[in-house]
Amino acid sequence: DAKTTQPPSMDCAEGRAANLPCNHSTISGNEYVYWYRQIHSQGPQYIIHGLKNNETNEMASLIITEDRKSSTLILPHATLRDTAVYYCIANDRGSTLGRLYFGRGTQLTVWP
Amino acid sequence: SQTIHQWPATLVQPVGSPLSLECTVEGTSNPNLYWYRQAAGRGLQLLFYSVGIGQISSEVPQNLSASRPQDRQFILSSKKLLLSDSGFYLCAWNPRDGLTESAFGSGTQLSVL
Repeated sequence: DAKTTQPPSMDCAEGRAANLPCNHSTISGNEYVYWYRQIHSQGPQYIIHGLKNNETNEMASLIITEDRKSSTLILPHATLRDTAVYYCIANDRGSTLGRLYFGRGTQLTVWP
Repeated sequence: SQTIHQWPATLVQPVGSPLSLECTVEGTSNPNLYWYRQAAGRGLQLLFYSVGIGQISSEVPQNLSASRPQDRQFILSSKKLLLSDSGFYLCAWNPRDGLTESAFGSGTQLSVL
């Protein structure tokens, strides 16, 4: 899997957009960008994934640069419950059989 | 809908004692199953994965073993626990067809004293 780089921590005011960056400069053509988050003492939760195009679901939006070397996860209106560690993972599901290799992630703190 | 169950939620065991953590998945067949561990202050590390009954692959050398006696049951074991086995253990699954992403259990916090 391609290595990803994320800032260790970020802050965001409640109600504002949280933009979490991820660098994956060595990503291969078959690797998708996945985002998971882990609230303290819970199991990780899947958020979103994408290959080339920008993606949006009920939780977040994923913006992938045209060269696919970086991406941004956007939480449009952050709430206190969005405080968690966010993991960006580059993964080729076909070759890894769904195995996930987590880095240190970004600790997002949403403050009132 | 599919659900994943993991127990116990918390476990305190003395060094040298055995371990058995169980994970079961409901509402699906032939899932891929995984055990992860998160040591204090560290990231999630994949320990084992299984693509079928009796098929176990280990990701890292360690004091633990895994077994899959039934299609939707995944067990993590140790004959003699070490202090370094302490951590937060998570079971996860995803469908073989790849149509949905990994879902995780609620985890077991293991303290070896």
